[in-house]
Amino acid sequence: AQKVTQAQTEISVVEKEDVTLDCVYETRDTTYYLFWYKQPPSGELVFLIRRNSFDEQNEISGRYSWNFQKSTSSFNFTITASQVVDSAVYFCALSEAWSGGSNYKLTFGKGTLLTVNP
Amino acid sequence: ETGVTQTPRHLVMGMTNKKSLKCEQHLGHNAMYWYKQSAKKPLELMFVYSLEERVENNSVPSRFSPECPNSSHLFLHLHTLQPEDSALYLCASSQDGGGSTTDTQYFGPGTRLTVL
Repeated sequence: AQKVTQAQTEISVVEKEDVTLDCVYETRDTTYYLFWYKQPPSGELVFLIRRNSFDEQNEISGRYSWNFQKSTSSFNFTITASQVVDSAVYFCALSEAWSGGSNYKLTFGKGTLLTVNP
Repeated sequence: ETGVTQTPRHLVMGMTNKKSLKCEQHLGHNAMYWYKQSAKKPLELMFVYSLEERVENNSVPSRFSPECPNSSHLFLHLHTLQPEDSALYLCASSQDGGGSTTDTQYFGPGTRLTVL
């Protein structure tokens, strides 16, 4: 069974600090996708990034960066120079083949609540 | 309107009521999903529709009844719910209903449901 573990339940930082959110996954699939979503207090899950299992290049988007390490089954997310608006719950998710290979089911971690204090 | 919208945003209902949640996607996608998000639990997938056909019912009680009249609209009909059904119900959509490996799901803002 596929599994996503976000060991950090809550993290609290002061504005401008860098913060890394950890994600460890388990899967038997050789082809899979990893995702990060942000859920602000409004409730909507906002898509941040998708990474496939064959692409281990790290990615940077503004203050956000992602470190995919297949050897350790980790897909960590770093926010540089955090801001109050970054306060949210962040979810890591793993896709698996659906029944018959149609569509892809997301297995979510339990999420990490990030609080950025001014 | 853009993206995925859900109505109502908040709903309070008694256990004997019948209500419906509505989801609409404006992204031209072919697949739609219902998720349940309870406190302290991971998101739980409830239903998946691909090209208006139900692909999966993830062991959801029959008091939840989905309906997908077309690829842009998804409903969740509720009847005789229990207090433990109180949760945030999220709708999502994705591009390809045919098994693409690149599907990304885009979520709506959710309906906060309270069952008294």
